[in-house]
Amino acid sequence: EAGVAQSPRYKIIEKRQSVAFWCNPISGHATLYWYQQILGQGPKLLIQFQNNGVVDDSQLPKDRFSAERLKGVDSTLKIQPAKLEDSAVYLCASSAVQHEQFFGPGTRLTVL
Amino acid sequence: GEDVEQSLFLSVREGDSSVINCTYTDSSSTYLYWYKQEPGAGLQLLTYIFSNMDMKQDQRLTVLLNKKDKHLSLRIADTQTGDSAIYFCAEDAGSYQLTFGKGTKLSVIP
Repeated sequence: EAGVAQSPRYKIIEKRQSVAFWCNPISGHATLYWYQQILGQGPKLLIQFQNNGVVDDSQLPKDRFSAERLKGVDSTLKIQPAKLEDSAVYLCASSAVQHEQFFGPGTRLTVL
Repeated sequence: GEDVEQSLFLSVREGDSSVINCTYTDSSSTYLYWYKQEPGAGLQLLTYIFSNMDMKQDQRLTVLLNKKDKHLSLRIADTQTGDSAIYFCAEDAGSYQLTFGKGTKLSVIP
């Protein structure tokens, strides 16, 4: 069974630029999560989708971050404009059985 | 609010047992988890325990849960160099949303 796929794996941008990350969950997984992991910290939940609907986006900085999952499968997370403090690894996870989340390899973002 | 605390570092000799400890604050957590993260990789679900259990064993891994003290531990028997990684404790904050600790970096000395 293929795991959660994410791209790109690495991205370097300058502050005030925009960036987008893509996630393809495990086939059949209805729930999809985006986490932000700052260096030396544990992952922090940004947004949770159930199929193509948002379950919780209370931790998403909506002035600059947006996420969508239009067809209930793939998802994109966008940052516009980026700030220095957005440098982190962005992890996507999916689950079928809700207490088992499977994580992708992450996208490491560096904002200069 | 929810908060998960872990010690940051642990060093053990190959073949010894490792015990990684965690405290959490949300007494209503349904599940508690241990994840492993190797350098440059995502998080791998190692094991989880349902809140009405005291202990769960899975091959070399033993999870102990003390609900009264809100204390969770992960014991790795016969620790190998391949076990070197960062181990994250996490609690279910509701709606299966996970709150993670900062992680414990386990170093295994050959």
